[in-house]
Amino acid sequence: AQKITQTQPGMFVQEKEAVTLDCTYDTSDQSYGLFWYKQPSSGEMIFLIYQGSYDEQNATEGRYSLNFQKARKSANLVISASQLGDSAMYFCAMRGAPLNTGNQFYFGTGTSLTVIP
Amino acid sequence: DAGVTQSPTHLIKTRGQQVTLRCSPKSGHDTVSWYQQALGQGPQFIFQYYEEEERQRGNFPDRFSGHQFPNYSSELNVNALLLGDSALYLCASRQTWGRTEAFFGQGTRLTVV
Repeated sequence: AQKITQTQPGMFVQEKEAVTLDCTYDTSDQSYGLFWYKQPSSGEMIFLIYQGSYDEQNATEGRYSLNFQKARKSANLVISASQLGDSAMYFCAMRGAPLNTGNQFYFGTGTSLTVIP
Repeated sequence: DAGVTQSPTHLIKTRGQQVTLRCSPKSGHDTVSWYQQALGQGPQFIFQYYEEEERQRGNFPDRFSGHQFPNYSSELNVNALLLGDSALYLCASRQTWGRTEAFFGQGTRLTVV
């Protein structure tokens, strides 16, 4: 069974500082994808970054990077230079193999990030 | 290019009633999934549609049913509503082949009273 664990219910970060949101996962699949989504109070889930299980390089998308440690089954999200607009819920999610035939996402319980001016 | 659109945005229903939620996927996307997000929780997978057929289903009762139309839009139907069905219902669309991320709509907030 697939499982995502996010152990930080809430996090605070000073504006312009970096912050790391933790995510660990459990799966027996050899091929899987890891995702981070941002959910503002409006409700929409906004895709941030993707890491494939066979990708050797950590994924980066602008101010977002994913610290992927396969042996530890962790996929932490790093947000650099935090902005006030980064305040939101952040969800780590996983999809199992095969990635291209529509497997479901498994989500964690989320981390609420608050950026302090 | 419009993203995933859902309607209505908010809905209040009485216990025992039936409800239909609608979703239009992002242009070019052919797979639509539905998720239920209870307050303070992560989204839970309900089911997924591709080529107008339900392809995968999560752990939800038969009261939850769906449909996908030839234009790839989709409906989620919930019968015999329970108070516990109150949640944010999210629709996600993606290309079946190609990029792996899903795009989500803004959700429908359903309140059952």
